[in-house]
Amino acid sequence: ILNVEQSPQSLHVQEGDSTNFTCSFPSSNFYALHWYRWETAKSPEALFVMTLNGDEKKKGRISATLNTKEGYSYLYIKGSQPEDSATYLCASRILTGGGNKLTFGTGTQLKVEL
Amino acid sequence: NAGVTQTPKFRILKIGQSMTLQCTQDMNHNYMYWYRQDPGMGLKLIYYSVGAGITDKGEVPNGYNVSRSTTEDFPLRLELAAPSQTSVYFCATTAPLTSGSHNEQFFGPGTRLTVL
Repeated sequence: ILNVEQSPQSLHVQEGDSTNFTCSFPSSNFYALHWYRWETAKSPEALFVMTLNGDEKKKGRISATLNTKEGYSYLYIKGSQPEDSATYLCASRILTGGGNKLTFGTGTQLKVEL
Repeated sequence: NAGVTQTPKFRILKIGQSMTLQCTQDMNHNYMYWYRQDPGMGLKLIYYSVGAGITDKGEVPNGYNVSRSTTEDFPLRLELAAPSQTSVYFCATTAPLTSGSHNEQFFGPGTRLTVL
């Protein structure tokens, strides 16, 4: 995988449903995987930064896992609420001579309906 | 602390006009970035800077120029605006990898630019 890919592109769920989406990224020269939450008309806000294979992070009802060997991360939302509606972006950071650059996926747009 | 600020918030340009998008940060971060966000395309890196006096091209630099004379400011210049540059532009900063921080990027509120 050369790019960062996210699936699905969009998702509609009912309030209370649990959901998850996937981020695939290049596994070679991996340094870190970032997840951002991006609400409409606002700027992206950092959710998690993960660096170690097998890492699991949690913030409230949102959690994420990381597999650096196969190059994927899952984001889980338990008991979705309307305020969870947003685009969830993942971004990969690799070790390069230029350092500190992120490659973003195109995002998963989540809509939680009442 | 204001974090990352961008001006203007909105702008409409005519084809061929020029303008500068301003970005200022007060977090003393070395790294600064300019992204554009187009529907269905995520964030694409235009230019970035690893410190004052140093800039580098990202994925989509054509039609843009940047400068970094101070740590705080990283303006993005459009010399001859084209309709293809209609987009939302985000500036971001991050601390150096050696700082021990989580290295997440902090984004400004964005500038919505329309070129007609």
